[in-house]
Amino acid sequence: QSVLTQPPSASGTPGQRVTISCSGSNSNIGSNSVNWYRQFPGTAPELLIYTNNQRHSGVPDRFSGSRSGTSATLTISGLQSDDEADYYCVAWDDSLNAYLFGLGTMVTVL
Amino acid sequence: QVQLVQSGPEMQKPGASVRVSCKASGYTFTGYYIHWVRQAPEQGLEWIGWINPENGGLKFAQKFQASVTMTRDTTINTVFMELSRLKSDDTAIYYCARVNTPLQAGPWGPFDSWGQGTLVTVSA
Repeated sequence: QSVLTQPPSASGTPGQRVTISCSGSNSNIGSNSVNWYRQFPGTAPELLIYTNNQRHSGVPDRFSGSRSGTSATLTISGLQSDDEADYYCVAWDDSLNAYLFGLGTMVTVL
Repeated sequence: QVQLVQSGPEMQKPGASVRVSCKASGYTFTGYYIHWVRQAPEQGLEWIGWINPENGGLKFAQKFQASVTMTRDTTINTVFMELSRLKSDDTAIYYCARVNTPLQAGPWGPFDSWGQGTLVTVSA
C-alpha cells in the first residue's frame, strides 16, 4: 500500500459534526503516529493534529483526532463555513521507509 | 517567528534539472530537519525526502532516489532541492517544511512550518 485511504469528500451543515477516516496498515498507522493537515486552495498545508490526537498551537478544540489499530479519524465538531478545505492524514511507513499521505478529503459546508 | 521562504516558479524542459531553494529564519537553522513534499496539479501530497541541516544527512523516498538531491548552506540558512532528468509528471508545487521537534528527536516529527511552495513546470 503506497497511500493511506481517505474518503474523497465529506460534507455537513453548519454546526454539524464531520468525521474523516484514514485507513492504513500495520506498517504505518498501526506502528506510528498520525498527523493531520489542512490545506486551503492555493496555499500551503498547515498542521492541525499531531501524534494522533494533539492539537497544534492555535487549533480550536472543535478539531480532534484519534487512532485505533490501523485507522485514524479526524473529527470536526461544530462545522463552520471556513472549515471548507482539503484534509490530509500522514504517517511514517516502516516497510517503505517513507512518509505516506492520504489522498485527501475535501470538506464542504452545505 | 519561524519562516521558510522558497524561490520563485521555474519552467524547464524534459530532461533538464531544476533547483529550488528554501531559506529559513526565526529559529536555529541547524536544529531542525527539513522535509520536501510535492503536489501535482489537482492531486494530493507526496513526500520526497528530508535533509539534516546540521550534517547534511539525507533520506529520500525510493521513487526519488535516482533523481533528487538535497544540500544545505549553513552560512545563509538555506536548503536546496535539485531534481534532475525532469519529466512532465514532475510538474508540481514543491514545498519545504520544518519538523517541529529538535534534531536530536529524529526526523519523524510533524511539519509545523511550510514554505509558500514553488511551482515547477516541465514542458517541451
